[in-house]
Amino acid sequence: SQTIHQWPATLVQPVGSPLSLECTVEGTSNPNLYWYRQAAGRGLQLLFYSVGIGQISSEVPQNLSASRPQDRQFILSSKKLLLSDSGFYLCAWSPSLARANTDTQYFGPGTRLTVL
Amino acid sequence: GEDVEQSLFLSVREGDSSVINCTYTDSSSTYLYWYKQEPGAGLQLLTYIFSNMDMKQDQRLTVLLNKKDKHLSLRIADTQTGDSAIYFCAVGMSGYSTLTFGKGTMLLVSP
Repeated sequence: SQTIHQWPATLVQPVGSPLSLECTVEGTSNPNLYWYRQAAGRGLQLLFYSVGIGQISSEVPQNLSASRPQDRQFILSSKKLLLSDSGFYLCAWSPSLARANTDTQYFGPGTRLTVL
Repeated sequence: GEDVEQSLFLSVREGDSSVINCTYTDSSSTYLYWYKQEPGAGLQLLTYIFSNMDMKQDQRLTVLLNKKDKHLSLRIADTQTGDSAIYFCAVGMSGYSTLTFGKGTMLLVSP
């Protein structure tokens, strides 16, 4: 069966510091991968998604970036964090369109980021 | 683009039925989902329905789809305190890799 991991689970960082959040998926190959942010208002904001290694689509311009160095690894980074980057970051995966008829996304446990 | 709307809050008593509603704008939507999020956790897929279906039942959960009105609902029978959570509606289209999520409905179940 497939599992998705995120770490760290919680993070407290000062303004201006760098960020690296990691997401890995097990039990599948060539998944689509997603990064979402959930702020206090509860809604999900899609930040990035990737349909393959090195292929990243950015949905919202900001000081964050994403990379996919391996098939089942997705990394969210920032060079300098802002207060507004605080939130709950969720990684998700879905089967590639070549393998499935649906876009069902499966979510990781999330990372709570607090920027002080 | 697609827009998905949900009411923000619903409060019910334990044992009652809960109905959470969702509307969407793009009639081309093919797959419609319900996710559950408990405090501090990720989203858990509850169920989904294809656009060629009107209803889907899975134990205490019933999903109804009205394509004409672009309205989706989730009914939870015999609601329990453990059902207290945020419920997200999401819609997707065949051939696209992304989903559009509503802002979530917070369900509070009181004993």
